[in-house]
Amino acid sequence: EDQVTQSPEALRLQEGESSSLNCSYTVSGLRGLFWYRQDPGKGPEFLFTLYSAGEEKEKERLKATLTKKESFLHITAPKPEDSATYLCAVQDPLPYGGSQGNLIFGKGTKLSVKP
Amino acid sequence: DTGVSQDPRHKITKRGQNVTFRCDPISEHNRLYWYRQTLGQGPEFLTYFQNEAQLEKSRLLSDRFSAERPKGSFSTLEIQRTEQGDSAMYLCASSSEVYYGYTFGSGTRLTVV
Repeated sequence: EDQVTQSPEALRLQEGESSSLNCSYTVSGLRGLFWYRQDPGKGPEFLFTLYSAGEEKEKERLKATLTKKESFLHITAPKPEDSATYLCAVQDPLPYGGSQGNLIFGKGTKLSVKP
Repeated sequence: DTGVSQDPRHKITKRGQNVTFRCDPISEHNRLYWYRQTLGQGPEFLTYFQNEAQLEKSRLLSDRFSAERPKGSFSTLEIQRTEQGDSAMYLCASSSEVYYGYTFGSGTRLTVV
């Protein structure tokens, strides 16, 4: 069965202390890996889509990378406003190789950045 | 463009009652999704519409759950005979193409007492 596993479950950083979040996945025929940010009491906010091993995307202090087995979300010099839960998801493929676009989410990594 | 709107934001209901949630997607998005999220978990897929057609339903969607999207615009999710296990955040999302990611609403938090 397809699975998305995120680690660590929680991460506490000091402001300016760079780190990485991990998302490992087991899915046959990856059709897209997605990163979202979720603030308490709100819906997830789209960050990145990655499709191919070796692909990288950047946005402000965030950089997402993809290999054949996992993805990393690198946070450079984080600020307190980066505190949130970061969710990883893969697109759920249909048995015949197509896709409706449904996403399978991991449980998320809760990031806290202290000033 | 005001994003994806969900109503109500919070709903407290007694066990056994029926509840209905509404989702207004971004107007030009033809795909609409419902997800459920419980504390400490990622969102779980419930059902998917492309325009007015409901193309897929998760095994999580029991017979007590029904969703509609008349005319391919807003959508409703109804839960009949609510149970305590139905307590969760119900999220609606819309997209044009999956590549661009979903836009989620802020969700409806359901508490069944």
